[in-house]
Amino acid sequence: DSGVTQTPKHLITATGQRVTLRCSPRSGDLSVYWYQQSLDQGLQFLIQYYNGEERAKGNILERFSAQQFPDLHSELNLSSLELGDSALYFCASSRDIYNEQFFGPGTRLTVL
Amino acid sequence: AQSVTQLGSHVSVSEGALVLLRCNYSSSVPPYLFWYVQYPNQGLQLLLKYTTGATLVKGINGFEAEFKKSETSFHLTKPSAHMSDAAEYFCAVRRGGSQGNLIFGKGTKLSVKP
Repeated sequence: DSGVTQTPKHLITATGQRVTLRCSPRSGDLSVYWYQQSLDQGLQFLIQYYNGEERAKGNILERFSAQQFPDLHSELNLSSLELGDSALYFCASSRDIYNEQFFGPGTRLTVL
Repeated sequence: AQSVTQLGSHVSVSEGALVLLRCNYSSSVPPYLFWYVQYPNQGLQLLLKYTTGATLVKGINGFEAEFKKSETSFHLTKPSAHMSDAAEYFCAVRRGGSQGNLIFGKGTKLSVKP
């Protein structure tokens, strides 16, 4: 158990819908990262937050957004969902940007 | 720009045989390198990391990796494979500067034959 929790574990929804994925980092970790894992793209970095502020953006679509709240949990919002958004979404946390990242169990999103 | 290349999307070994998973990196700054393992339907677990200092890094479950700057490599090895080592392995480099995200290779799926 990495100490990073993600909910829900599975999510099945339809095209055009909007979903929210939630992540609670390890106690004391200030940095949260979101990654997408798909068969064709592999593991891709989406976005990073540090102590409530956006720090870096990767290959994140405009339909996707995220935030980190004062209690340091983070949410990833995916809207206008398409079939191609079906993937595993991982959250990771670290003490700061220089320390190793610990990954949550992931949320498997299926868009039908 | 930084990148990671993992040679071999699938490696198969016999139980008790040497495991060698190859990783080459490209980085314009001194790299921080990582190996993660992913078991089916699970998240990624950190096996080992290289930041600075000793170039031979020991990790969990008997794995180790050697950082070779001249070869830009960070290959993962284990002297004797066990059935429980069957999983997918990812090599990653940490993005430099004020960002800390990881750039992953495409992964190598390790199969262990009895």
